[in-house]
Amino acid sequence: DTAVSQTPKYLVTQMGNDKSIKCEQNLGHDTMYWYKQDSKKFLKIMFSYNNKELIINETVPNRFSPKSPDKAHLNLHINSLELGDSAVYFCASRRTSGSGTDTQYFGPGTRLTVL
Amino acid sequence: GDSVTQMEGPVTLSEEAFLTINCTYTATGYPSLFWYVQYPGEGLQLLLKATKADDKGSNKGFEATYRKETTSFHLEKGSVQVSDSAVYFCALSGSDQKLVFGQGTRLTINP
Repeated sequence: DTAVSQTPKYLVTQMGNDKSIKCEQNLGHDTMYWYKQDSKKFLKIMFSYNNKELIINETVPNRFSPKSPDKAHLNLHINSLELGDSAVYFCASRRTSGSGTDTQYFGPGTRLTVL
Repeated sequence: GDSVTQMEGPVTLSEEAFLTINCTYTATGYPSLFWYVQYPGEGLQLLLKATKADDKGSNKGFEATYRKETTSFHLEKGSVQVSDSAVYFCALSGSDQKLVFGQGTRLTINP
C-alpha cells in the first residue's frame, strides 16, 4: 500500500545519457513535487504540478523536464546528464482541499549516480 | 525569501539522554512548521508539525512548539533510543506551499 512510489530506486548511468524517473501517488492528492537532495543532504524544491499544470519551476537547468500525464503521476526526464546531477531525487505530493493541505508526503527517493 | 536554520550536526548522544535540535526560521506571514526524519537508506517521513503560534506537535516521544516570538521550532525528546538515529530536517511551508528545508542534523545514538 505504498502511498508515494518512485522507480527506479537506484539509477547509475554515464554522462551525456538521457534518463527518466517515475513517480506515482495513490493518495488522491492533486499536487506533486520533485526535490533534489545533494551529497550534503541539503533538500531543494525543483518543480511542482497541480492537476497536471506546472505551478513551481525553480532555477533548474532546462535539461530537466517534468511531465505529468495525470494528477497521480509526475515523471522527471533529464537530458544530457552531467556529473553534478548525481543526487537523490524525491517525489512528494499533497492535497489542496480538506484538512492537512500543508503536509507533503514523500516517496522513498531515487539515487542517481552519473559516472 | 523564506529560510530555515538548523543546529549544526552531527549530534552524538548516549541512549536515554535528552535531545534538543534547534531550529529557527525566517518567513513572511504565518508558515506551517514541520520536522521530517530520514532514517538510513530511506526517504523522508513526517515526524510532527504545527500550523500556528503556540501549537505543539508531538509524535513518538518527540515534541516541538511553534514559537512566533522567537521564530523557533526546536525539536525535543526526553529519552532517546538507538532507533532514533537518523537525519532530522526542520522545514516550513508558506503561502506558496513550497517546503523550505533546513540543512538537516545527523543524530547518532550510542547504546
